[in-house]
Amino acid sequence: EAGVTQSPTHLIKTRGQQATLRCSPISGHTSVYWYQQALGLGLQFLLWYDEGEERNRGNFPPRFSGRQFPNYSSELNVNALELEDSALYLCASRGDIGANVLTFGAGSRLTVL
Amino acid sequence: GQQLNQSPQSMFIQEGEDVSMNCTSSSIFNTWLWYKQDPGEGPVLLIALYKAGELTSNGRLTAQFGITRKDSFLNISASIPSDVGIYFCAGRIPNDYKLSFGAGTTVTVRA
Repeated sequence: EAGVTQSPTHLIKTRGQQATLRCSPISGHTSVYWYQQALGLGLQFLLWYDEGEERNRGNFPPRFSGRQFPNYSSELNVNALELEDSALYLCASRGDIGANVLTFGAGSRLTVL
Repeated sequence: GQQLNQSPQSMFIQEGEDVSMNCTSSSIFNTWLWYKQDPGEGPVLLIALYKAGELTSNGRLTAQFGITRKDSFLNISASIPSDVGIYFCAGRIPNDYKLSFGAGTTVTVRA
């Protein structure tokens, strides 16, 4: 089965611009999670979508938003980019609500200049 | 999210050595997971633990879910060059459907 796919692989933006990152979960998975991994740091939870609804969000400003589409793919939007937004953004999907394991994509590397 | 303390932060090991790393939490978890991340890739699941005291192996990897439910360790036996990477612990508290991650342990193997 195809894994979690993310695009683009790399994205370069300048301060103040907007970035959009995309994620397709494993077929049949309805939950999508977004994490930020800044250089040398662990994974910080950003957002969780399930069945098209935002279920939880981490401690990030409203500039970080997203949505989940009817086919369960998801988009992460970052507005008014700041230098410290430079990071690897990882998307993960999970099967049914009882499943504990997240399967990650390879990530989208966002660089803000 | 919950704060996980993972140690050590990094380690240099000789090929063939055994490696141990651990994670502690201030909260009780009902799931502990260990992931490995290679450069340019997303984390890949190594071992999942669901019960206090559970000891699970995956090849040369062994992990345990602590009795207090607030800690876990991962052992790698007879390390080889491909063990290089960043190892993350992750945990889930009851009734929460997101994972909290440790800061990672970077493993470098000397051939």
